[in-house]
Amino acid sequence: DAGITQSPRHKVTETGTPVTLRCHQTENHRYMYWYRQDPGHGLRLIHYSYGVKDTDKGEVSDGYSVSRSKTEDFLLTLESATSSQTSVYFCAISESTRDSPLHFGNGTRLTVT
Amino acid sequence: AQTVTQSQPEMSVQEAETVTLSCTYDTSESDYYLFWYKQPPSRQMILVIRQEAYKQQNATENRFSVNFQKAAKSFSLKISDSQLGDAAMYFCALTGANSKLTFGKGITLSVRP
Repeated sequence: DAGITQSPRHKVTETGTPVTLRCHQTENHRYMYWYRQDPGHGLRLIHYSYGVKDTDKGEVSDGYSVSRSKTEDFLLTLESATSSQTSVYFCAISESTRDSPLHFGNGTRLTVT
Repeated sequence: AQTVTQSQPEMSVQEAETVTLSCTYDTSESDYYLFWYKQPPSRQMILVIRQEAYKQQNATENRFSVNFQKAAKSFSLKISDSQLGDAAMYFCALTGANSKLTFGKGITLSVRP
């Protein structure tokens, strides 16, 4: 398995609280991604990064922010969690351009009550 | 914008039989890549097969093969000699020049013993 670690694996939080999910890689890959998976929607891209401090929005970025201060770490922050952000969150990495497949972490199940 | 459509939410196959999972896509790019990912109940995302759009030859990986019809924008996955371990959710995905992977909604495959 590619060296990707997501933390935490599970989290329950209350509406309105801030939440940060962490993705850590040991592969030195340039590209990192955050997806959310919801029934009936597949995986949808939240944000991605193409280098340290270089990030861009995906299709469902509202309510989320990201930061990448080091190659190996990509943080996803929910500034004020809402029930609609209850989901499974996946981090993924890829080596270079579009021909490189994504390698995924094991996901974080987030429940916002 | 690129889109990926998996119109069948569920399929079932008898063990040792062959099953085909359908996928259609839309993109304005001429150079792109297509993927099938498998997600077993463990939640892990596993790359099954990859196809470069500029290659006419259909990709094959052991019991898994694709039928890539570029003009029709169709990319189906054939699983031969189905095994119980093939039971999972399968996602079709597409990536283009922006290196962002777009997923379909997925199809749940069950394998009957």
